[in-house]
Amino acid sequence: GAGVSQSPRYKVAKRGQDVALRCDPISGHVSLFWYQQALGQGPEFLTYFQNEAQLDKSGLPSDRFFAERPEGSVSTLKIQRTQQEDSAVYLCASSLMIGAGANVLTFGAGSRLTVL
Amino acid sequence: RKEVEQDPGPFNVPEGATVAFNCTYSNSASQSFFWYRQDCRKEPKLLMSVYSSGNEDGRFTAQLNRASQYISLLIRDSKLSDSATYLCAYTGGFKTIFGAGTRLFVKA
Repeated sequence: GAGVSQSPRYKVAKRGQDVALRCDPISGHVSLFWYQQALGQGPEFLTYFQNEAQLDKSGLPSDRFFAERPEGSVSTLKIQRTQQEDSAVYLCASSLMIGAGANVLTFGAGSRLTVL
Repeated sequence: RKEVEQDPGPFNVPEGATVAFNCTYSNSASQSFFWYRQDCRKEPKLLMSVYSSGNEDGRFTAQLNRASQYISLLIRDSKLSDSATYLCAYTGGFKTIFGAGTRLFVKA
């Protein structure tokens, strides 16, 4: 597609519910990143995929967070047993290049999660 | 200490003013540096990459000082449309690390 597409744009969950957030990156982009952005803060790194391989998941805050990209294209971020502190905007970004280097990220519009 | 530190602002400036933001980073092995712009409730978008030699794009000038581990952004002749949050970022390994951003309000 022309840009990075994320869905849903808005999600309200009751505490304890599981949620799944989808990211459709720019076609052909090898690298895919997930970030979490709390109100008034910068994006915080969660995880990185190079094609289907998850090469870095050091930013995932707990084992309730799980991400996958099984075919090297669409990615899903799953949050189990949501807590109020999970409320944030979840941003997906993709990049044509591999790794960091001169990596320029193109972000999707984000999925805004509110946990009640 | 945070990996990237920025003055959160807000900076309130009149149209036509020159405004400068600084950002410091802690990882001396950082590879590449960037400024992203984020409008309210929107996603970050790349404003410009930052090089040691300094680079300019129209009214915007970015500078990197590796010895002192800071990057800067200068905006000349500010426009109302420049009002946004400016995020500095660097890449290290596979990650791009962002600062918390500096808010700019340009007033008529």
